[in-house]
Amino acid sequence: DQQVKQNSPSLSVQEGRISILNCDYTNSMFDYFLWYKKYPAEGPTFLISISSIKDKNEDGRFTVFLNKSAKHLSLHIVPSQPGDSAVYFCAALTIGTASKLTFGTGTRLQVTL
Amino acid sequence: ETGVTQTPRHLVMGMTNKKSLKCEQHLGHNAMYWYKQSAKKPLELMFVYNFKEQTENNSVPSRFSPECPNSSHLFLHLHTLQPEDSALYLCASSQDPRGGQPQHFGDGTRLSIL
Repeated sequence: DQQVKQNSPSLSVQEGRISILNCDYTNSMFDYFLWYKKYPAEGPTFLISISSIKDKNEDGRFTVFLNKSAKHLSLHIVPSQPGDSAVYFCAALTIGTASKLTFGTGTRLQVTL
Repeated sequence: ETGVTQTPRHLVMGMTNKKSLKCEQHLGHNAMYWYKQSAKKPLELMFVYNFKEQTENNSVPSRFSPECPNSSHLFLHLHTLQPEDSALYLCASSQDPRGGQPQHFGDGTRLSIL
């Protein structure tokens, strides 16, 4: 049973427009939520995170929004650039003796010219 | 350049072979992790090491045997694997396993079982 879900396997956005990637989760005990970006033949690269007690975190062109009541988070990329084309993974972090990441299946973003 | 290095990048082995995957982190982190990514499935946590001690074994079959000799090195010993074990194996590290710091990943080893 997947605790972190990314229901859109792919997304195509025009350069300069906003990209919105969505993620839903079922476990309200997660402490942090993270977004990772992955290029082919490379490992996931950390992008941005948000604490479960916040509802927004911004870093340059990237903003993550958290809606706890809906158990939903989203990543906004503005403006989208061709170099943003990659697979984006949503992950939820449980901290304790050792931090544990639970990943979604990913959304492939294609930014077109 | 990634602070987490995995070798080899690709590995093809028969079901009766014994091989090892290696991971080294240059970030001064205290926790290291093994993940498996199969086609069309999310990354699955396999093992967690916290200050060289194993703190998590996520119901992984005994044909996968991890080893963490120090906080910078992590191995995954493979023995008598099955075709369904073909996957991308990713190593990660984080600074404080009890905190909210993100995990940093290596580029993975693509494993194919014949």
